[in-house]
Amino acid sequence: DSGVTQTPKHLITATGQRVTLRCSPRSGDLSVYWYQQSLDQGLQFLIQYYNGEERAKGNILERFSAQQFPDLHSELNLSSLELGDSALYFCASSVLPGDTEAFFGQGTRLTVV
Amino acid sequence: GESVGLHLPTLSVQEGDNSIINCAYSNSASDYFIWYKQESGKGPQFIIDIRSNMDKRQGQRVTVLLNKTVKHLSLQIAATQPGDSAVYFCAENMKLTGGGNKLTFGTGTQLKVEL
Repeated sequence: DSGVTQTPKHLITATGQRVTLRCSPRSGDLSVYWYQQSLDQGLQFLIQYYNGEERAKGNILERFSAQQFPDLHSELNLSSLELGDSALYFCASSVLPGDTEAFFGQGTRLTVV
Repeated sequence: GESVGLHLPTLSVQEGDNSIINCAYSNSASDYFIWYKQESGKGPQFIIDIRSNMDKRQGQRVTVLLNKTVKHLSLQIAATQPGDSAVYFCAENMKLTGGGNKLTFGTGTQLKVEL
């Protein structure tokens, strides 16, 4: 157990809908990352937060947004969902930004039908 | 552009043998290179990292070698065990302006340990 909790574990939704994925980082970790894992694109970095502020942005679509709350949990919002958004979404946390050792949650499997 | 690629998609080894997983990278600006392991149904798990100014680092049963001349990274696992069966990813860490960082992952190598 990495100490990172992601909910829900599975999510099935229709195209055009909006979903929210939730992540609770490991106790003491201030930095949260979101990654998307799909069969054709592999593990892709989406976005990073540190202590409530956005620190780095990767290949995140404009339809996607995220935030980190004062209690350090984070949410990833995916809207206007398309079939191609079906993937595993991982949250990871580390003590500080720049740490190479990040602790990953078990992921949320999103299926868009 | 940025890319991290793995040479072999699947590697099968006998239990007790040593495993070598290879990775090619293209971005010389990365400050660290890291190996992650992902077991079925789980998230990636950190194994070991190596700073870009080093060429070798050893951990418990694992050794990472970095050859910056040919932009090659390898993970050696000694006395491979059934529990080592997983997908192994190499990743590059890059520090970004604003104080953040991002990991760029390779495509992964499936390691299968045969009894």
